[in-house]
Amino acid sequence: GENVEQHPSTLSVQEGDSAVIKCTYSDSASNYFPWYKQELGKRPQLIIDIRSNVGEKKDQRIAVTLNKTAKHFSLHITETQPEDSAVYFCAASTPRDDKIIFGKGTRLHILP
Amino acid sequence: EAQVTQNPRYLITVTGKKLTVTCSQNMNHEYMSWYRQDPGLGLRQIYYSMNVEVTDKGDVPEGYKVSRKEKRNFPLILESPSPNQTSLYFCASSPGQGGRGSDGYTFGSGTRLTVV
Repeated sequence: GENVEQHPSTLSVQEGDSAVIKCTYSDSASNYFPWYKQELGKRPQLIIDIRSNVGEKKDQRIAVTLNKTAKHFSLHITETQPEDSAVYFCAASTPRDDKIIFGKGTRLHILP
Repeated sequence: EAQVTQNPRYLITVTGKKLTVTCSQNMNHEYMSWYRQDPGLGLRQIYYSMNVEVTDKGDVPEGYKVSRKEKRNFPLILESPSPNQTSLYFCASSPGQGGRGSDGYTFGSGTRLTVV
């Protein structure tokens, strides 16, 4: 089955700098890659997703890139702000089943 | 308001005492799923359901049961809870196939379960 690896597990960046979180997946049939943000004590919420027919997608300060050949995808947050502090999960899904497999998460700290 | 409602939010129980965590969604979603979240392990899928009377195992189904008698409800049952089932549990639903819709999953608020 699909396996998703996520790095780093913890990331600290200065406010205003950029943050990058990287994920790899094992199943070449995966074609849907969502990213979820979980603030402390709250539920995960979808922030952006990308499908395999697209190499990059951007939404304001957040962007996701996908390299299908290398089977990795990344989340980029620019001009980080205190409210970006949270745990971020990447995930992957294949069309042949109804599962979304999550990475183990990255705890992002935005330093003042 | 469109939402996924889980109850209870917190539960402390003893080993072996059967319990049920309820999950209900008001969005007419076909797909529902249960996840457990543990430190360092992320979100792991327990069971999922593509529609009424259709359920399937996720990655960590041992020790759990589910049912989907109605579209809106998807309870998680622990017949004989053990301490290794102490975790944070999330119910999630989506209109499309397994959270692949444009809005992804809608998660419930979570249930923190402690088994002593």
